[in-house]
Amino acid sequence: RKEVEQDPGPFNVPEGATVAFNCTYSNSASQSFFWYRQDCRKEPKLLMSVYSSGNEDGRFTAQLNRASQYISLLIRDSKLSDSATYLCVVNSKDFMDSNYQLIWGAGTKLIIKP
Amino acid sequence: DVKVTQSSRYLVKRTGEKVFLECVQDMDHENMFWYRQDPGLGLRLIYFSYDVKMKEKGDIPEGYSVSREKKERFSLILESASTNQTSMYLCASSLVIGGTRTYNEQFFGPGTRLTVL
Repeated sequence: RKEVEQDPGPFNVPEGATVAFNCTYSNSASQSFFWYRQDCRKEPKLLMSVYSSGNEDGRFTAQLNRASQYISLLIRDSKLSDSATYLCVVNSKDFMDSNYQLIWGAGTKLIIKP
Repeated sequence: DVKVTQSSRYLVKRTGEKVFLECVQDMDHENMFWYRQDPGLGLRLIYFSYDVKMKEKGDIPEGYSVSREKKERFSLILESASTNQTSMYLCASSLVIGGTRTYNEQFFGPGTRLTVL
């Protein structure tokens, strides 16, 4: 089982719709979580951090479910410009040492159609 | 704006060649990282550095080495390129906040797509 798993998609969604996707993680000691956005042939950029209470930024809402070990990203009123790959990142502690590590998911591709 | 630049966008090399990938950041960040990104696998950390002349192995360091002689510059070296090193290479940098080294926002360069023939 991968440490961080995402549905690769693509999710094909009409403009204006609401879309949500999840990211599951295997290490229950994980401390912090992030969503990055990566446009085609571009570098990843931070979309939002996800903390224990979850957070919202405009049309985007990120939630953390520790019991089931997943984070979610909800996009409301989707725009054509939201088309991208969304990467989940989990900060996990390696039990072999004390250093925290960032584990990246492979990403979920989202396509917003007019 | 934070700017991370990488020396080449596209690179084609032959098996056995020594390859240098350069990364420069202009925001005085302590941490710098090298990743490779392959379809279906996500970003995998090759090496990172938290200070000048300091380096730590990531998940897949075999076949790679790094150099950080100046704070703003972090180089990735493929000692003898092989076809399985064909990939997108991404450099990133981040600040140290609160004594942590790894889980702050990372700023990425545009990437170098390396093809080894």
